[in-house]
Amino acid sequence: GAVVSQHPSWVICKSGTSVKIECRSLDFQATTMFWYRQFPKQSLMLMATSNEGSKATYEQGVEKDKFLINHASLTLSTLTVTSAHPEDSSFYICSASGRVAGVDEQFFGPGTRLTVL
Amino acid sequence: AQTVTQSQPEMSVQEAETVTLSCTYDTSENNYYLFWYKQPPSRQMILVIRQEAYKQQNATENRFSVNFQKAAKSFSLKISDSQLGDTAMYFCAFMKPMTQGGSEKLVFGKGTKLTVNP
Repeated sequence: GAVVSQHPSWVICKSGTSVKIECRSLDFQATTMFWYRQFPKQSLMLMATSNEGSKATYEQGVEKDKFLINHASLTLSTLTVTSAHPEDSSFYICSASGRVAGVDEQFFGPGTRLTVL
Repeated sequence: AQTVTQSQPEMSVQEAETVTLSCTYDTSENNYYLFWYKQPPSRQMILVIRQEAYKQQNATENRFSVNFQKAAKSFSLKISDSQLGDTAMYFCAFMKPMTQGGSEKLVFGKGTKLTVNP
């Protein structure tokens, strides 16, 4: 099946620093990847849609200068949290879209837990 | 805009019993996909089952089956012979089909926390 990896799985950083999270589709090419944020005991909140070779589309209320997304290849998208603050601490999940057996589906990475001190 | 509603924040079931999780959605689209995802404590999102709206037959995956009522915009998940490993958050999700412009986003419900008791 389609596999999506995320790196790192867990990161702790100091306030004011930047953190980069990678999302890779390991065995398929993903023209579109999605980035979500999830707070404890809540649903996934879509942050942005990332299309290969073009600028990401951000959801309303998500600061694009704060959360930089780069989708430079068909297998890699990155999310950079710039000048991180404690309120950015959260669980970040990426997904990559593909078509399996003629059906559209999103395949999820295992997530990255970000803690900002 | 599409919306997905899961009206049961928490549910519990005894091991080996059957439980049904509810999901309703709102859309003006005629063709779309519906999904149930499971998120165990590891937080990895796992696809449980999917349904294509143009298919009248309800999808089934082993112990998991859905009751898809297109006119009522209802998409419930039935788990038979519940197992301890079924304990997780369950999210219902809606998605429009891919277009030439790219993939469509998933619209999630708020989730139902299911606990299977021994």
